[in-house]
Amino acid sequence: AQSVTQLDSQVPVFEEAPVELRCNYSSSVSVYLFWYVQYPNQGLQLLLKYLSGSTLVKGINGFEAEFNKSQTSFHLRKPSVHISDTAEYFCAVSSGNQGGKLIFGQGTELSVKP
Amino acid sequence: GAVVSQHPSRVICKSGTSVKIECRSLDFQATTMFWYRQFPKQSLMLMATSNEGSKATYEQGVEKDKFLINHASLTLSTLTVTSAHPEDSSFYICSAILTGAYGYTFGSGTRLTVV
Repeated sequence: AQSVTQLDSQVPVFEEAPVELRCNYSSSVSVYLFWYVQYPNQGLQLLLKYLSGSTLVKGINGFEAEFNKSQTSFHLRKPSVHISDTAEYFCAVSSGNQGGKLIFGQGTELSVKP
Repeated sequence: GAVVSQHPSRVICKSGTSVKIECRSLDFQATTMFWYRQFPKQSLMLMATSNEGSKATYEQGVEKDKFLINHASLTLSTLTVTSAHPEDSSFYICSAILTGAYGYTFGSGTRLTVV
């Protein structure tokens, strides 16, 4: 079975500063990895995903993540954050087969301050 | 892009009544859909996997008789919360698998409040 651990429940950061949101996963099979953002009382929006190939994945809104198989990590980064990036971020994993369940981490609340 | 429409967005119901939440795939066929529950400031907990034309598969600890899932067509899955109680108040979100460009698309969620 897969599991996901987001190491930080809250990350406060000042506007225009860089940020890294950490995610580690556990799985006995190959995995697909995702990062989603959720604004209050809304559904989830996909930021980026890793299926295969290049380990550095670029997503929307200037976010990127790096898949590190040896460290079983998939950390999310942005070089310069904006106030509008304030939201809840979820890392998720599914097994490498069609129809696999998507399992979420606990979430990280990113708070960008002026 | 692939869109899942979820309705209603908010519902308030009296304790003991039942509430139905619908998720429709608007421009694609969703053979598999997932239902999640989210408590405030918490993560999404997978409740069940819904496959068109067959019985849903529930996660451990989820009451099948309380949370009825029906996936009668390739574009519609429903979650019915039966005999709702205040502890069922939560945010419910559906999701569908996208075949082709592998990924998942999510509904906008339903805020259920049981009074």
